[in-house]
Amino acid sequence: GAGVSQSPRYKVAKRGQDVALRCDPISGHVSLFWYQQALGQGPEFLTYFQNEAQLDKSGLPSDRFFAERPEGSVSTLKIQRTQQEDSAVYLCASSLGTFYRGPLVYTQYFGPGTRLTVL
Amino acid sequence: DQQVKQNSPSLSVQEGRISILNCDYTNSMFDYFLWYKKYPAEGPTFLISISSIKDKNEDGRFTVFLNKSAKHLSLHIVPSQPGDSAVYFCAASGAQKLVFGQGTRLTINP
Repeated sequence: GAGVSQSPRYKVAKRGQDVALRCDPISGHVSLFWYQQALGQGPEFLTYFQNEAQLDKSGLPSDRFFAERPEGSVSTLKIQRTQQEDSAVYLCASSLGTFYRGPLVYTQYFGPGTRLTVL
Repeated sequence: DQQVKQNSPSLSVQEGRISILNCDYTNSMFDYFLWYKKYPAEGPTFLISISSIKDKNEDGRFTVFLNKSAKHLSLHIVPSQPGDSAVYFCAASGAQKLVFGQGTRLTINP
């Protein structure tokens, strides 16, 4: 596709349920990022993949959060035993990746996000 | 510890005038800076960027200025148009990940 897509766009979960959020990056983009955006705040980094390798997961708030990108393309962010504080918009972004030179390597292109509401 | 700060939550500008959005950062290791624009229910859209080795980058109506000694960057939009009304985020790149400010809501009045 032309841009980053995410599904579902909206998810309502009961506290304690597991959820899975999907991200389809721009074709050919090596790097993939997940961010969490709370209401009225800027996005905050969760984790980063280069191809299928998860190079940085320092932003994941707890061990209930797990991300994977098994074939280096589509990625899934999984949240186990959801809590109310997990309610946020989860954004996925992709970029060309570090194998390329020039300013485009730094530019991340974002999907529309998944709004998660935990009741 | 907020490494990237946008101290103005909102800004209102008359159509046709210049809009100036400001951003401050604390980490001197950041090597690239970006501005994103966000409409409701959409993801951030890339607008313009600047490398830390430059002090100005221009793209049409948008110009970004970087003052490394002050650890300050600004986005100038001239002339401002109604379609520019959105939330603007500045972001700094460090070790691949982006660190975002809190955003500034820009409203362009006719």
